[in-house]
Amino acid sequence: GENVEQHPSTLSVQEGDSAVIKCTYSDSASNYFPWYKQELGKRPQLIIDIRSNVGEKKDQRIAVTLNKTAKHFSLHITETQPEDSAVYFCAASFTGGGNKLTFGTGTQLKVEL
Amino acid sequence: DTAVSQTPKYLVTQMGNDKSIKCEQNLGHDTMYWYKQDSKKFLKIMFSYNNKELIINETVPNRFSPKSPDKAHLNLHINSLELGDSAVYFCASSQGVAEGFFGQGTRLTVV
Repeated sequence: GENVEQHPSTLSVQEGDSAVIKCTYSDSASNYFPWYKQELGKRPQLIIDIRSNVGEKKDQRIAVTLNKTAKHFSLHITETQPEDSAVYFCAASFTGGGNKLTFGTGTQLKVEL
Repeated sequence: DTAVSQTPKYLVTQMGNDKSIKCEQNLGHDTMYWYKQDSKKFLKIMFSYNNKELIINETVPNRFSPKSPDKAHLNLHINSLELGDSAVYFCASSQGVAEGFFGQGTRLTVV
C-alpha cells in the first residue's frame, strides 16, 4: 500500500520567513496530493491540493510543488504569520484506490513573533 | 450549514462498554470515511464507504463496526471498549478522489 513520509516533524520560523514542508510517497499510481492544516482542537482543513498532471500550484502565500519522478511534493508558505501556526499534513491518494487518503505524520509549524 | 457533522463531540466511557458515533454529510458526496487520530496526531484511515458499500477496511479490530444506512450517513459502533481506543475519531466525506471534508471530531476517552 501507499506510504507517505513527511519532514520535518517540527518547524519553527520567525514571522515573515518562509516555511517548507516536504513529503515523499511510495506508490507511483498516486495522483492526488492534498495538504491539510489542523489547528489545535479543530478538524483538518484543506489548504491546497495538486494533481499529478500539474507540477506547481499557488494560492496567495501558499504553493505546492510536485516531482512525480522523484515522488516528492512540498508545501511552501511565504511571509509566515502567527496564524499559520498549526499542524500540517500532506496526503496522497489515487483513482481506483477507494479514494483513500494516506496521510503523512504531520509537521508542527510554529511561527514566532 | 455544517457540511460534515458528527456526534457526540466528546465521549467518556468505561472499559468494556459499547458506544456509537454518528456522522452525516449534506454535501451529496458518494464516499464517506472514518479516520482515527491518536495522541501523536497520526491520522489513519479505518473504513471507507462508497454509496453505502464498504470499500476499505484497514486493519481494525472487529470490535469496530461501521454502518451506512444511506450515502449521507456513516456511523461507527465500538464494542467492548479498551483503553487503547482513546483517540479522536474523524468522519470525512469526498466526491471521488478529491478534497476530503472532515467533521469536527469525536474525542473518545476510555477510563
